[in-house]
Amino acid sequence: EDQVTQSPEALRLQEGESSSLNCSYTVSGLRGLFWYRQDPGKGPEFLFTLYSAGEEKEKERLKATITKKESFLHITAPKPEDSATYLCAVNTGNQFYFGTGTSLTVIP
Amino acid sequence: GAGVSQSPRYKVAKRGQDVALRCDPISGHVSLFWYQQALGQGPEFLTYFQNEAQLDKSGLPSDRFFAERPEGSVSTLKIQRTQQEDSAVYLCASSLRTGVNSPLHFGNGTRLTVT
Repeated sequence: EDQVTQSPEALRLQEGESSSLNCSYTVSGLRGLFWYRQDPGKGPEFLFTLYSAGEEKEKERLKATITKKESFLHITAPKPEDSATYLCAVNTGNQFYFGTGTSLTVIP
Repeated sequence: GAGVSQSPRYKVAKRGQDVALRCDPISGHVSLFWYQQALGQGPEFLTYFQNEAQLDKSGLPSDRFFAERPEGSVSTLKIQRTQQEDSAVYLCASSLRTGVNSPLHFGNGTRLTVT
């Protein structure tokens, strides 16, 4: 059965304290892994797509990496405006399966 | 350009009422998805359209849920005889084409509360 698991469920960081979010997946026929950011009351906002093990993508303080079984979202020197829920999703064809997300709070 | 637009933003329905939720995708986007998101959870797949064809409706929870996209653009999700367990945020997403190079672009959702 296709499964996406994110950890931790919640993470509190001091401003400037770097950390990583994890997305583990067991799917047949991965065709892409996506990271999204979701703010309260808003729809998910697309961040990155990763296709194969070893690939990396960067945007400002965020860097996404992927292996054959998991993906990481690294946050370097976070700021309070990075506070949000971060979702990962895997595409196996026509469907996207989402994890339950990591709620990140960055404290000034 | 305009993003995905959903209306209404909030809907309160009494149990047993029918509701209709509207989605205006990004112009030219071929694929359209409906998701249900419960509080503190990730989006759960409901159904998928490619143009006007509904290619996958395996995520619809019951036959009270019905979706259509008659002209390949605007889509409507209809829930008949609403129940309290239908309370959730309903998200619509579109993508330019099918396949792995097309991330989903989401609207801000319709929050449905069934009393």
